[in-house]
Amino acid sequence: DQQVKQNSPSLSVQEGRISILNCDYTNSMFDYFLWYKKYPAEGPTFLISISSIKDKNEDGRFTVFLNKSAKHLSLHIVPSQPGDSAVYFCAASPKTSYDKVIFGPGTSLSVIP
Amino acid sequence: KAGVTQTPRYLIKTRGQQVTLSCSPISGHRSVSWYQQTPGQGLQFLFEYFSETQRNKGNFPGRFSGRQFSNSRSEMNVSTLELGDSALYLCASSLGSGEAFFGQGTRLTVV
Repeated sequence: DQQVKQNSPSLSVQEGRISILNCDYTNSMFDYFLWYKKYPAEGPTFLISISSIKDKNEDGRFTVFLNKSAKHLSLHIVPSQPGDSAVYFCAASPKTSYDKVIFGPGTSLSVIP
Repeated sequence: KAGVTQTPRYLIKTRGQQVTLSCSPISGHRSVSWYQQTPGQGLQFLFEYFSETQRNKGNFPGRFSGRQFSNSRSEMNVSTLELGDSALYLCASSLGSGEAFFGQGTRLTVV
């Protein structure tokens, strides 16, 4: 039973446009949400996070939106750059244990020059 | 500041054998988590150690075990290897906020 879902295995976007990566979760105990980026042959790197008390968090070109009632979050990358091409993992952890991070299956983003 | 170091980077084992993977966290980080990544499955949580104690555990069989030493270094052991254990095993360390720093992983191939 997948608690964190990323229903789009892949996404292609033109350079300069907006990339929107979606994530849904099922566990209402999740309290903290994170996005990680992973290049081939490297470990994932932390990108941005959001606490359940917020509905939006921005960091440069990256914005994460959280809709708690829909149990949905999304990562927006504006503008998209070729270097953003990577696999993006959505992750969540419960308030009872922030170190038990559950990851989604990932979305492979390709930014086309 | 050195990052998370995992050894070895690559490993080939035969079915039925056991394997031990090692992870050295970022200095000062006391939490170490282990993940298994397989194609199409994303990152699946194995377990998390904090101050030498297993604090969280995922849904993996007892063949998967781990430990953490007083210097926060951690090892993961898989016994009686199966073909399906072939995966990238990632270790992550954190200060406990949930924001984790990953190593490059150990690619295990079981033949």
